[in-house]
Amino acid sequence: NAGVTQTPKFRVLKTGQSMTLLCAQDMNHEYMYWYRQDPGMGLRLIHYSVGEGTTAKGEVPDGYNVSRLKKQNFLLGLESAAPSQTSVYFCASRNPGPDEKLFFGSGTQLSVL
Amino acid sequence: ILNVEQSPQSLHVQEGDSTNFTCSFPSSNFYALHWYRWETAKSPEALFVMTLNGDEKKKGRISATLNTKEGYSYLYIKGSQPEDSATYLCAFMTGNQFYFGTGTSLTVIP
Repeated sequence: NAGVTQTPKFRVLKTGQSMTLLCAQDMNHEYMYWYRQDPGMGLRLIHYSVGEGTTAKGEVPDGYNVSRLKKQNFLLGLESAAPSQTSVYFCASRNPGPDEKLFFGSGTQLSVL
Repeated sequence: ILNVEQSPQSLHVQEGDSTNFTCSFPSSNFYALHWYRWETAKSPEALFVMTLNGDEKKKGRISATLNTKEGYSYLYIKGSQPEDSATYLCAFMTGNQFYFGTGTSLTVIP
């Protein structure tokens, strides 16, 4: 049981380049989330999805797009990377309900030069 | 944007000491309060999920309490061990979203 898998684990981009981060979960979870982690700040929600084909904006959505074409996958895209997007990105998934905990991936370290 | 605050920011204790941390969150639109343990080079893992005012949860030497009316939760570690060294995150859940604190970094000195 792999849980939540993020690819890639590390990436270096130049300003203006684009890339897609993939999150895959094998727990049949309905909800999936993308967070970013920056020094001195808590995990901040970028976008989330409450089911296949749905997405919604979180706290810091600007500069990112997402897609949830399959229930098990949640993609985070950067169309034109900026240095401010240098961060560690975490994906998480869970089932509906306040009692349901988040399961996190291992993170993607992204540097934008 | 909701404000979730954790204190202290960091803590160094001797092995065997007991310690506690605080998480403060809004007292309105409360769905749940989660505690996560985050070890270096790993992913956050859930410790407790609490949904009711007055909830108390316990797992081994670690326990947590919840006061939704005043907007705070305490995490207690009894008899700290070196393997307890980690960052402890709390997350306030409202609707389908979670708002995380910046965490309390605990170092247990052998």
